[in-house]
Amino acid sequence: DSGVTQTPKHLITATGQRVTLRCSPRSGDLSVYWYQQSLDQGLQFLIQYYNGEERAKGNILERFSAQQFPDLHSELNLSSLELGDSALYFCASSVSFESEAFFGQGTRLTVV
Amino acid sequence: AQKVTQAQTEISVVEKEDVTLDCVYETRDTTYYLFWYKQPPSGELVFLIRRNSFDEQNEISGRYSWNFQKSTSSFNFTITASQVVDSAVYFCALSDIGSGNTGKLIFGQGTTLQVKP
Repeated sequence: DSGVTQTPKHLITATGQRVTLRCSPRSGDLSVYWYQQSLDQGLQFLIQYYNGEERAKGNILERFSAQQFPDLHSELNLSSLELGDSALYFCASSVSFESEAFFGQGTRLTVV
Repeated sequence: AQKVTQAQTEISVVEKEDVTLDCVYETRDTTYYLFWYKQPPSGELVFLIRRNSFDEQNEISGRYSWNFQKSTSSFNFTITASQVVDSAVYFCALSDIGSGNTGKLIFGQGTTLQVKP
């Protein structure tokens, strides 16, 4: 158990809908990262928050947004969903930028 | 641009064989970190090792060993006496500490290792 909790584990939704993925980082970790894993793109960095502030952005679509709350949990919001958004979405946390990131179990999103 | 290449897409071995997973990276930074993660069939990503760019010492942890060579920009992973439980997808990753200092990871495409009994 990495200590990073993601909910839900599975999500099936229709095209055009909006979903929210939730992540609770390990205790004490200020940095939260979101990654997308798909068959064609592999593991791609989406966005990072550090202590409530956006720190870095990757190839995140404009339809996607995220935030980190004062209790350090984070949410990834995906809207106007398309079939191509079906993927495994991982959250990871780390205590510092130099240390290893620990990953949650992922949320498998299926858009039908 | 930073890049990680894992040229071996799939490797199949028989139990007890040794196997080496290759990783080649590209970066202009002088300060960086390299990682290996394991993704078993259950899907989670499990951290295995972190190595910084200033430490070229090889590391051994049980049946696992890692060979970091800056001269060839490689960070290879060897499993000795492989076991069926080693079957997984293995990812090599690079962290851009030198520029931007975010800790975000750039992953290779992964190598699927199948260990047959």
